[in-house]
Amino acid sequence: NAGVMQNPRHLVRRRGQEARLRCSPMKGHSHVYWYRQLPEEGLKFMVYLQKENIIDESGMPKERFSAEFPKEGPSILRIQQVVRGDSAAYFCASFGQRQETQYFGPGTRLLVL
Amino acid sequence: DQQVKQNSPSLSVQEGRISILNCDYTNSMFDYFLWYKKYPAEGPTFLISISSIKDKNEDGRFTVFLNKSAKHLSLHIVPSQPGDSAVYFCAATANTNAGKSTFGDGTTLTVKP
Repeated sequence: NAGVMQNPRHLVRRRGQEARLRCSPMKGHSHVYWYRQLPEEGLKFMVYLQKENIIDESGMPKERFSAEFPKEGPSILRIQQVVRGDSAAYFCASFGQRQETQYFGPGTRLLVL
Repeated sequence: DQQVKQNSPSLSVQEGRISILNCDYTNSMFDYFLWYKKYPAEGPTFLISISSIKDKNEDGRFTVFLNKSAKHLSLHIVPSQPGDSAVYFCAATANTNAGKSTFGDGTTLTVKP
């Protein structure tokens, strides 16, 4: 899964600031999923994107969270006005045409002070 | 309502013995199941999967068993090695689409030398 890149690996924000998390999928992959992992829990689906399209955002909080996957560049998960409860590890995963498995990035660990 | 449950938060086994990790699910729509392995500060890594049309899938030391009537699956690792020590996540999805998986909370496996 080294092919999926996420940055930054660690991000510290104060309450009320904005957090931007980036994900570059594996070469040739056009599907990206974002997951959030709270401490001691499993990964929870947030959003599924293809290039320039949001396919499924049913797992994303309605407020303050948004995601995009532009034609050029990485996918971005944006959290506005962060709160302490947003502290978590955020993982993105990509896969290509054969959707039999997904390859995860190393995650971004967000800490909100 | 947690649709995928891993009831054992931790498991400890001796090197060379069998490790059995269990997973239960409630959603009858799930038709594809995956196991991931996760080391600290890394993203999950795909291990093995099974479709609902099968009851067993084997890959080297790893075998996954599926009991659809009981809505139960298990991962067997034989023989266990110290390098297998990690958190193991069970995941389930519908429509044979590995994306938008529903994850269990994980089982921490420790293999003692």
